[in-house]
Amino acid sequence: DGGITQSPKYLFRKEGQNVTLSCEQNLNHDAMYWYRQDPGQGLRLIYYSQIVNDFQKGDIAEGYSVSREKKESFPLTVTSAQKNPTAFYLCASSIAPGAHNEQFFGPGTRLTVL
Amino acid sequence: AQSVTQLDSQVPVFEEAPVELRCNYSSSVSVYLFWYVQYPNQGLQLLLKYLSGSTLVKSINGFEAEFNKSQTSFHLRKPSVHISDTAEYFCAVSKGNRDDKIIFGKGTRLHILP
Repeated sequence: DGGITQSPKYLFRKEGQNVTLSCEQNLNHDAMYWYRQDPGQGLRLIYYSQIVNDFQKGDIAEGYSVSREKKESFPLTVTSAQKNPTAFYLCASSIAPGAHNEQFFGPGTRLTVL
Repeated sequence: AQSVTQLDSQVPVFEEAPVELRCNYSSSVSVYLFWYVQYPNQGLQLLLKYLSGSTLVKSINGFEAEFNKSQTSFHLRKPSVHISDTAEYFCAVSKGNRDDKIIFGKGTRLHILP
């Protein structure tokens, strides 16, 4: 089955620690995205990648970092510089860059900072 | 800058009654418009989209939305809701060129009452 997997589903972290969220897709999609979802805020774009070895900052990139060394993988690191990291994180992919292409979403990772 | 306004954060409706979820956008250029649905503790799924052509677009599960350029609206409707329609619905807009992003609204939570 083709799709997007995110792991873990729930993640707890102590303040001051970096943590990496996994996102893998086997859809052979070129573009991948990371969003943050907070209650009543909708989705906000953190980073996106149009192609392997390339990525751009979204609207709220501060305190986050990404890499895109393989087409199927786009991990997100939440660093200690992110002041309010507790949120639901969603990864998505599309066949090619361009907003007319449907974005397919993973099931999400809920991060809680203790 | 583009923006999306979903006028209602929550909409309660009785089962088998009609529903309308409102969405207005601000943009001075041609747009692409989307409705995504998020079931509890899941990622988002594309429900329907308007790219061009007919202003009335339909989904496979009975929802429809109409692009109204003069009113800058893309309201979502269903003539008879089912308990399984309980979810959060997100309206989104994009200019659609290769480098542009999708801007999501804050979401409308649809509560189906028995």
